[in-house]
Order: sequence, then C-alpha cells, then structure tokens
Amino acid sequence: AQSVTQLDSHVSVSEGTPVLLRCNYSSSYSPSLFWYVQHPNKGLQLLLKYTSAATLVKGINGFEAEFKKSETSFHLTKPSAHMSDAAEYFCVVSAINYGQNFVFGPGTRLSVLP
Amino acid sequence: KAGVTQTPRYLIKTRGQQVTLSCSPISGHRSVSWYQQTPGQGLQFLFEYFSETQRNKGNFPGRFSGRQFSNSRSEMNVSTLELGDSALYLCASSFQGATNEKLFFGSGTQLSVL
Repeated sequence: AQSVTQLDSHVSVSEGTPVLLRCNYSSSYSPSLFWYVQHPNKGLQLLLKYTSAATLVKGINGFEAEFKKSETSFHLTKPSAHMSDAAEYFCVVSAINYGQNFVFGPGTRLSVLP
Repeated sequence: KAGVTQTPRYLIKTRGQQVTLSCSPISGHRSVSWYQQTPGQGLQFLFEYFSETQRNKGNFPGRFSGRQFSNSRSEMNVSTLELGDSALYLCASSFQGATNEKLFFGSGTQLSVL
C-alpha cells in the first residue's frame, strides 16, 4: 500500500530565510507525487506535481521539489519565505495507477515569523 | 470559469440522522472525488466518481455512499450519523481523473454531529 510521511508536523522560519518541508513516500510502482497547500479557511491548492519527467519540479510562488527515488523523498523547498506562505502543506502520492485515489500525508504547518 | 462549489457550507445534525452533501465540479470535469478531513486522521479518501460510475473507493463503512449525475454533479450521503463523522468534507474535481492530474478542491462542507 502507498503511504506518505511528513517528518515535521510544524516548521517555523523567519521571513526571508529558506523553507524545507520534508516528505518521504512508499509506493509499489512509479507514483505521481504532489504538494498541496491549504490556507486557513480556504480550499486546497496545488503547488506542484511530479509525474516521471524532470526530477526537479518547479511550482507556484517560488516553491520547488526534488524527486529522489533512491531516498523515496520529495522534499519541498523555497529560497526565501514570505509571510503569505504561512499555511498547512500536504505531500500527496497517488495510491493506484488507475483513476484518482490519493494518499495525503498528515501535513506540515508552516509558520513564518516577521 | 466557476470553481468547485460545495453546498451547504455548514451543517449541524444529531446522531442517527442522515445527511446529503452536494458538489458541483468545474465545467467540463468528469471526475469527482470526496475526502474527509479531521484533526486526528487528516485527509482521507472516500470515493471517486467518473462518468456516473464509482471508480475507486476508500476504506469507509457502507454508511458513506455517493453518486454522480449525468452533468457530473455529485452527492455524498452519510446515513446513521455518528459523533465521529464530524469533519470537513471536501470535494475535488479533475478533467479525466488521471493519476497525474491536478485536483481542484471546493471549500468544503463542515459537518458537526451532536
């Protein structure tokens, strides 16, 4: 069965410093991997996705993630945090290779300090 | 283009009652999936519908059911409500429901069971 581990439930950074949100996955086949963000009282929004093309994936708002098969990791990074980045971030893996059945990680809450 | 619309936004029910939630996907999207979000369990997949057929199902009891209409609108029903069913129910749509496709989420229906 597919699974996702997000190693930190809460990450706190200062504005202007780098962001690293860690994600490890388990999958019995080549999965599709995603990062979604959920701002308070707003719906989930896709940040970026990996689908077996380039291993370094660029997303919206300056975020990027690197797929490392040997480490089964898909960590999310951003060079410089902004106050508006404060939100809950979810790493997601496709559970099957047909249709849509996604496994969400438990989430990492990102706080950005002024 | 209108986004994914979920109604109602809030619901309060008592144990033993049943409830129906509605989701209108983005125009042209044929796949609709449902997720339950709780503080303890996170986001969990309920089921996915594609062209009026349930294509995938998560690990939830039979009290949770759904359907999709010819215009792709979807409803989910929970019968014999339990206190543990209190959650944010999120609906997501995508064009074809492929494993590498982006999900577009609605704002959710917050269900409280008293």
